[in-house]
Amino acid sequence: GIQVEQSPPDLILQEGANSTLRCNFSDSVNNLQWFHQNPWGQLINLFYIPSGTKQNGRLSATTVATERYSLLYISSSQTTDSGVYFCAVENDYKLSFGAGTTVTVRA
Amino acid sequence: DGGITQSPKYLFRKEGQNVTLSCEQNLNHDAMYWYRQDPGQGLRLIYYSQIVNDFQKGDIAEGYSVSREKKESFPLTVTSAQKNPTAFYLCASSAQINQPQHFGDGTRLSIL
Repeated sequence: GIQVEQSPPDLILQEGANSTLRCNFSDSVNNLQWFHQNPWGQLINLFYIPSGTKQNGRLSATTVATERYSLLYISSSQTTDSGVYFCAVENDYKLSFGAGTTVTVRA
Repeated sequence: DGGITQSPKYLFRKEGQNVTLSCEQNLNHDAMYWYRQDPGQGLRLIYYSQIVNDFQKGDIAEGYSVSREKKESFPLTVTSAQKNPTAFYLCASSAQINQPQHFGDGTRLSIL
């Protein structure tokens, strides 16, 4: 099956800092989603981004499908940004998830 | 409000018992999915259903069963054949297959 690798595995930020999370995938995909899982386990959609760039407030994402990677940017981080960020790629009707990046934002 | 409701939030199972996790959606979505999440890991697909009365195995279907008798409901049964059932179970739906998936709040299953 398709392999999804996320980096870094852990990230500690000071409030107000910017950061970039990366997602590499091993094969061509139909779609790509970024999710944020909060400490209570809720999985929130951030972006549905098979290609191109999208922005939503302080978050933005870029997917370069031809090079098989996607980037998630967090600007001016806040403590509420803490949690695990997952990249998931869709191929053959199935979503395959990476292991996630755990982000901790300190006040 | 439209959304996906999973129940219960917490579930305890004795050895040898089957348990059923509920997932209901009022989004009028055709496709529904079940995932399992183990600590520190990403989600893995158990089963998915594109339409009513149809479902397909995912990557880790052994020890699980599902039904899709109604569009809005996709219950998951964890059978006694599942040797390591302790995990966090998440249900999702999408308007159609290949569309963005939206998730419920999950059920935590533990073995007594």
